[in-house]
Amino acid sequence: GQSLEQPSEVTAVEGAIVQINCTYQTSGFYGLSWYQQHDGGAPTFLSYNALDGLEETGRFSSFLSRSDSYGYLLLQELQMKDSASYFCPMNRDDKIIFGKGTRLHILP
Amino acid sequence: NAGVTQTPKFRILKIGQSMTLQCTQDMNHNYMYWYRQDPGMGLKLIYYSVGAGITDKGEVPNGYNVSRSTTEDFPLRLELAAPSQTSVYFCASTESRQGNTGELFFGEGSRLTVL
Repeated sequence: GQSLEQPSEVTAVEGAIVQINCTYQTSGFYGLSWYQQHDGGAPTFLSYNALDGLEETGRFSSFLSRSDSYGYLLLQELQMKDSASYFCPMNRDDKIIFGKGTRLHILP
Repeated sequence: NAGVTQTPKFRILKIGQSMTLQCTQDMNHNYMYWYRQDPGMGLKLIYYSVGAGITDKGEVPNGYNVSRSTTEDFPLRLELAAPSQTSVYFCASTESRQGNTGELFFGEGSRLTVL
């Protein structure tokens, strides 16, 4: 079967670091992406991991372990504007499947 | 470039009416997708297309139809609208199955209410 799991909610403090985990189970896996979505807006692309390892883009980093079917998004120096939902859709064959996402709450 | 353009942005339908959500992209992307997002929920794949003339069902295709006569356009048709189809609909496109970066380009969304 196929599945995609993320925590439903995560809370962190402004200026801190937070990690959002993502585990998946699927065949025909091509890569793991991360998207951010603010309330009322469309999802916006953050990063993509096709190979194992860490990808860094500014304050955001994303990690993938294909052998563990696991990835995470690391957000550093959290800002209030990072309050949003985060998704790790699977690229499976020709489909891009989103899960329920993780709601990130930032406390001042 | 305009990217991915969806119309209309807002629409209210009566139960049983039909309508078409338009989606067009000017990036010459082969892959296009339609998602729906209910309040507080994730995105669910309705239909997708890997190129002109080719479409396939996603996770929640019932009550919808699509066509892909050109690379640019991927309209989504709702037949016999039901309250359960009240949602925000997003159209997205990407260069290829894997893509250079895996990036999906999204439209701004179409907010549909069925009463």
